[in-house]
Parts: sequence; structure tokens; C-alpha cells
Amino acid sequence: DQQVKQNSPSLSVQEGRISILNCDYTNSMFDYFLWYKKYPAEGPTFLISISSIKDKNEDGRFTVFLNKSAKHLSLHIVPSQPGDSAVYFCAAILGSQGNLIFGKGTKLSVKP
Amino acid sequence: DAGVIQSPRHEVTEMGQEVTLRCKPISGHDYLFWYRQTMMRGLELLIYFNNNVPIDDSGMPEDRFSAKMPNASFSTLKIQPSEPRDSAVYFCASSPQPRGNGELFFGEGSRLTVL
Repeated sequence: DQQVKQNSPSLSVQEGRISILNCDYTNSMFDYFLWYKKYPAEGPTFLISISSIKDKNEDGRFTVFLNKSAKHLSLHIVPSQPGDSAVYFCAAILGSQGNLIFGKGTKLSVKP
Repeated sequence: DAGVIQSPRHEVTEMGQEVTLRCKPISGHDYLFWYRQTMMRGLELLIYFNNNVPIDDSGMPEDRFSAKMPNASFSTLKIQPSEPRDSAVYFCASSPQPRGNGELFFGEGSRLTVL
């Protein structure tokens, strides 16, 4: 059973608008959450993270929101740009050894 | 600085053959991870090492899979014998100690096709 779920396999957004990528998790013991971005034929790269003791973290155009009661986090990209088109993976950390558990990813397409 | 280096980038082999994937982590990173990406299961952790010692291999699918880290700068993932269902992209990643924000540095992956 998947502990980290990204229920939308794909999302299409117009350039300049907001992109919202969602992620749900089942294990309340996760203490850190991350978003990774992956372009074709490349490895995933770290984008932004949030500790479970916070509810928001912002870095430029990217903001991650965490709702612990709902076991839900989201990544907002404002404004969206064509270069943001990629697969976005949500991940959670369980334990002190940095073992990341990934969702299946959401493919974002930003149309010019 | 060089990132995580994986080889080969692409491997096509026939069922039953042995496959060896290689990884050179970023110098100074104490943790090394092997992940597999498939359409059905997404990115799943196979095994990870801390200071060259395997810590958790519970993700290794079966005995046909084995991984070693003989020194801090080299790791291998071996599949013997390979099967068509092993076709996937295999990623190696490393991270420094302490855990920090949990960021992993991934290689570009090895795409394996087993015919």
C-alpha cells in the first residue's frame, strides 16, 4: 500500500497561471516532506522541502503547504513557466537515516 | 564538482543475462541509495548504504538482485539472471551526513531493457 500518493498523473496549466500539485500521505510519523522535479533523461533534482512542524515554506515562485490534520501537502508554482514542465515527485522522510518514500509523480505541462 | 555518475546510461540485454549497473557517488557523501523507477510503481527504494555498509535492503525485489559498495566511491547493482520485468530506469543517489533537509543528489539513471 502506497504511503505517499499523488493521485493526479498529469496536469496542464497555461503560462502565467498557478500550478497546484497535490500529495497525500498515510503515515503520521513522517517528519519531513520534499518535492523533486525531473526532466526527461535526467535524474530527479531537489526543489523544496518542509518540516512537519511547519505549515508553509516558500522559495521564489515555489511554495509548499502542509496540512497535517488532513495528511496533505501541495506545491504551488506562481507564475508557471514553460520551463516548469516536468514530472514532480512528492517524497516523505521516515526516520533519521534519510530514507525517502516517493509518490508516483505528476507530469506538469505548462502551455505558452 | 562532479555529480553522481552512473553507467551505463542505457543497457539492452536478453533475458537470463547478468546485468551490472555502476555508481560513483559525490565525494564526501556518506549515504548511497539505489532506486528503481517504473510506470506502475514510480520511484521505489531498493537498498541504501551508510559508510559503505548496507542499512536497509528490504526493497530489493528478490535474490536475483544484489548490491555492493566495496569503497566510498563505488557501488554496483547486479541482476542475475535478468528478466523482462526488470526493465526500468535505475537511479543511484547520494547524500551527505548529517541528514539535513533530506536532499538526495541523483545520477542521470541507467535505463535497462530486458528482452
